[in-house]
Amino acid sequence: DTEVTQTPKHLVMGMTNKKSLKCEQHMGHRAMYWYKQKAKKPPELMFVYSYEKLSINESVPSRFSPECPNSSLLNLHLHALQPEDSALYLCASSQGVIVVPYEQYFGPGTRLTVT
Amino acid sequence: GIQVEQSPPDLILQEGANSTLRCNFSDSVNNLQWFHQNPWGQLINLFYIPSGTKQNGRLSATTVATERYSLLYISSSQTTDSGVYFCAVEFQTGANNLFFGTGTRLTVIP
Repeated sequence: DTEVTQTPKHLVMGMTNKKSLKCEQHMGHRAMYWYKQKAKKPPELMFVYSYEKLSINESVPSRFSPECPNSSLLNLHLHALQPEDSALYLCASSQGVIVVPYEQYFGPGTRLTVT
Repeated sequence: GIQVEQSPPDLILQEGANSTLRCNFSDSVNNLQWFHQNPWGQLINLFYIPSGTKQNGRLSATTVATERYSLLYISSSQTTDSGVYFCAVEFQTGANNLFFGTGTRLTVIP
């Protein structure tokens, strides 16, 4: 099973709201990732968690706050977002960040609209 | 700087035709993956292929790491092949950061 699940599928939020995106995998993977994809653009890496510790933060604004409560679960907490943050947010996982091969598997994404 | 470029950017095919998509990358890589993004946004793994050749049904891929390019072949295309094809690479100098190429948007018409 190579499934990564994400909830919700769609989210509309105002600029003063606080919401969270959730990602889950049960493949025993030890690395999890958040990507952001704007319309007609490729995905861009936001965060990497390795063994439940944040290992990469690609200069993402603090209004995005990741959390990895355990090795299967990854959250992205959203607060005071701007309309330009509207995008498809993709979660991915891989066996690890040291072990090779290192194939990443993606969830279906959460389509976020900020009004 | 680091670059991953794909060509062509757009491709329209008649059902049943064959096509070749290309991915050029600017530096040595640890990892190269091909994905198909369907109209709902799901990224579907096609190949993990940092070097060599692989085949899966109507699809095959070849990566020539020494010359810094990869090719994705689609044979006997079907309308369900429509979508955006991305290659993504992890450069040897950029640990754990998967850089996506610019993508090829494929439309297969009946």
